[in-house]
Amino acid sequence: AQTVTQSQPEMSVQEAETVTLSCTYDTSESNYYLFWYKQPPSRQMILVIRQEAYKQQNATENRFSVNFQKAAKSFSLKISDSQLGDTAMYFCAFSETSYDKVIFGPGTSLSVIP
Amino acid sequence: DTGVSQDPRHKITKRGQNVTFRCDPISEHNRLYWYRQTLGQGPEFLTYFQNEAQLEKSRLLSDRFSAERPKGSFSTLEIQRTEQGDSAMYLCASSSTGGPNYEQYFGPGTRLTVT
Repeated sequence: AQTVTQSQPEMSVQEAETVTLSCTYDTSESNYYLFWYKQPPSRQMILVIRQEAYKQQNATENRFSVNFQKAAKSFSLKISDSQLGDTAMYFCAFSETSYDKVIFGPGTSLSVIP
Repeated sequence: DTGVSQDPRHKITKRGQNVTFRCDPISEHNRLYWYRQTLGQGPEFLTYFQNEAQLEKSRLLSDRFSAERPKGSFSTLEIQRTEQGDSAMYLCASSSTGGPNYEQYFGPGTRLTVT
């Protein structure tokens, strides 16, 4: 069974600084999909960024980028120029196919400090 | 695009009662997913539908849980004989298999408290 691990339950970062959230996963599949979701306090879960495992190039979305290391089964999220609105729970997630159920990690609570 | 909506947003019930939640997906989305999220944890998959067909159920979905999507639009999740362990946030998400954007869009959730 696939599992997703996030070893940092809580992190904090100064506004405008850069922070990296870690994620590892376990699967025997060769192709799959990885995601980072953001859940702000009392608000809906939204997708931050996604990576298809067959793509070697790391995905980027504005201030968000990933470091995908397929052999190490590692998928970290880098947030540059952190903003107060980035304060949220961040979940690393895995899916076998693009339309399949998503398996979530336990989350990292990120606080951006003014 | 009005997004995924869920009703009710909060439900308090006594142990042993039945509860039903509703999810309205984004109108053109053919896939609909239910997840459960307990405090401080990531969401756990419960079940999903493609149109009206229920394609997969997690073993977390005991026989007290049933989900339907009768016309391939909205879905209901019913919990019979609720237990305190059922207290959680129940999240619904929807997606479309018809194009390159396979993102799951989440609703605000229904928070269930069983007393």
